[in-house]
Amino acid sequence: AQKVTQAQTEISVVEKEDVTLDCVYETRDTTYYLFWYKQPPSGELVFLIRRNSFDEQNEISGRYSWNFQKSTSSFNFTITASQVVDSAVYFCALATYNTDKLIFGTGTRLQVFP
Amino acid sequence: GAGVSQSPRYKVAKRGQDVALRCDPISGHVSLFWYQQALGQGPEFLTYFQNEAQLDKSGLPSDRFFAERPEGSVSTLKIQRTQQEDSAVYLCASSLRVAGANVLTFGAGSRLTVL
Repeated sequence: AQKVTQAQTEISVVEKEDVTLDCVYETRDTTYYLFWYKQPPSGELVFLIRRNSFDEQNEISGRYSWNFQKSTSSFNFTITASQVVDSAVYFCALATYNTDKLIFGTGTRLQVFP
Repeated sequence: GAGVSQSPRYKVAKRGQDVALRCDPISGHVSLFWYQQALGQGPEFLTYFQNEAQLDKSGLPSDRFFAERPEGSVSTLKIQRTQQEDSAVYLCASSLRVAGANVLTFGAGSRLTVL
């Protein structure tokens, strides 16, 4: 069975703090993809990143970085120097190869206060 | 269009009514998905189309739920005899069909409230 767990339901930080959102996944497939999506109050899910299971290199994009570790089945997301505009619900998701069907976690609500 | 368009954005139905939710995917996108998102939860897969073919409907919760995409572009999700547990946001997403898991582009959703 495939599953994504986001244990943190809600996180509150003050602007400029760093924050890490945890994601743990389960799958028996050897080829799979991991995603992060952002859902602002408007409701539309916004794609942030996709990584395949063969690429464990960490990735940095501006203030965002992702740490993929197959040994612990984790794909954590860090926001450096958080801003109020980062306030949203963040979802981690899993898809196996050759399918676009996403299995989502329950999401982490991030609130960044000024 | 530039993005995935869904209508109506908000729908209030009395229990027992039928509803129809529309999705206009990005032009040229072959794959189309419907997801259901209950309050405080992550989206859950309902059904998937490749062009006009419904390849996977394993997530539809009951036979009251029906989806179609007759010409391979616009899709409609129909819920018959709505019940309170159907209250949720219904998200549509589309993607190009190339090798590997594609990035889905989501619409803003249709929020259904069943009274």
